[in-house]
Amino acid sequence: GENVEQHPSTLSVQEGDSAVIKCTYSDSASNYFPWYKQELGKRPQLIIDIRSNVGEKKDQRIAVTLNKTAKHFSLHITETQPEDSAVYFCAARRPGSQFYFGTGTSLTVIP
Amino acid sequence: GAVVSQHPSWVICKSGTSVKIECRSLDFQATTMFWYRQFPKQSLMLMATSNEGSKATYEQGVEKDKFLINHASLTLSTLTVTSAHPEDSSFYICSATPTGRANSPLHFGNGTRLTVT
Repeated sequence: GENVEQHPSTLSVQEGDSAVIKCTYSDSASNYFPWYKQELGKRPQLIIDIRSNVGEKKDQRIAVTLNKTAKHFSLHITETQPEDSAVYFCAARRPGSQFYFGTGTSLTVIP
Repeated sequence: GAVVSQHPSWVICKSGTSVKIECRSLDFQATTMFWYRQFPKQSLMLMATSNEGSKATYEQGVEKDKFLINHASLTLSTLTVTSAHPEDSSFYICSATPTGRANSPLHFGNGTRLTVT
């Protein structure tokens, strides 16, 4: 099956700085890669996703890049704000299969 | 759109009792729903895949007789934790994708915090 690794497990940045979270996957057939944000005690919320036919996608301060050859994808958050503090999960999925989640990154944005 | 409702949001029960958790897709049909368990500061662990009209598929190490799953309709799946013990205390989250949209993101319920005393 798929193996998704996520780094770092914790990340602290100053408000206004950028944050980068990286994930690698093992199954070359995976073609869908969502990112979720989970605040304490709440459900994971989809913040951005990317499919294997594109290399980069951006939505305001959030961007995701995908390197299919190297089998890794990254989440980039620019101009971080305190409300960005949360746990972020990456995931990978091949068609017709379950989602495989990374181990999560706890992001703290220091005001 | 794509709202998943989960109930209850929290429950406290005594050891040995059973607890039922409901997961509903409110504005879409879901042939398949997923049940996850999450320990504090840890990732989402898939427990089982719930299939409408057929038996659930359980992940390795998950006791099917303890975690009963029923997916009686295209909008409702239930997870029953039978004979609950304190070690079953956890955050349980269901999720679903719309039927026929295999590459859609997962939509999560708001989770159920189970505490077994």
